[in-house]
Amino acid sequence: GQNIDQPTEMTATEGAIVQINCTYQTSGFNGLFWYQQHAGEAPTFLSYNVLDGLEEKGRFSSFLSRSKGYSYLLLKELQMKDSASYLCAALDSNYQLIWGAGTKLIIKP
Amino acid sequence: GAVVSQHPSRVICKSGTSVKIECRSLDFQATTMFWYRQFPKKSLMLMATSNEGSKATYEQGVEKDKFLINHASLTLSTLTVTSAHPEDSSFYICSASLGQNYNEQFFGPGTRLTVL
Repeated sequence: GQNIDQPTEMTATEGAIVQINCTYQTSGFNGLFWYQQHAGEAPTFLSYNVLDGLEEKGRFSSFLSRSKGYSYLLLKELQMKDSASYLCAALDSNYQLIWGAGTKLIIKP
Repeated sequence: GAVVSQHPSRVICKSGTSVKIECRSLDFQATTMFWYRQFPKKSLMLMATSNEGSKATYEQGVEKDKFLINHASLTLSTLTVTSAHPEDSSFYICSASLGQNYNEQFFGPGTRLTVL
């Protein structure tokens, strides 16, 4: 079956760095997404990786290893507004998005 | 960037009534639109995929007669929850993509449905 695993919850300190991991098992693979979702709001797009390696976009970076079925989202210089759920989603061979349950990130001052 | 709107943002209705939710792509033509529901503290659950001018493809376990989807134009899709019951209370989110094989979905702001 198809599966996405990511931690349920993480806590970090304002100004610090946090890495949210995601492992996936899908029928075929056409890329991996990270979305941010604040409570009561719809997800917003953060990143898309289809090739191995690190993609940097400001304070956020996303990494992919296709051979390991592994990705992580790296958040630097954490701000209180970064408190949200972070959803990992993989695109399978049929271009269907397989969603993880999300990682709730709690930022403490 | 690509903007998707949803209306209404919040609706409260009595059990047995029908509710229509609209999803519009404001500045692009969306070949494909997706409808999700999300329960508290859970991930998104894809309900159906709709392409303009054709019938929606429903995910397993989603009743197509209960959740009517119409994708009449490249910028508008509607979801109608028919004969709503309290268990239909949820957060419904639509998204739109530029093509059938996509690498990004643009999400609407969501509709919070509460059925009394």
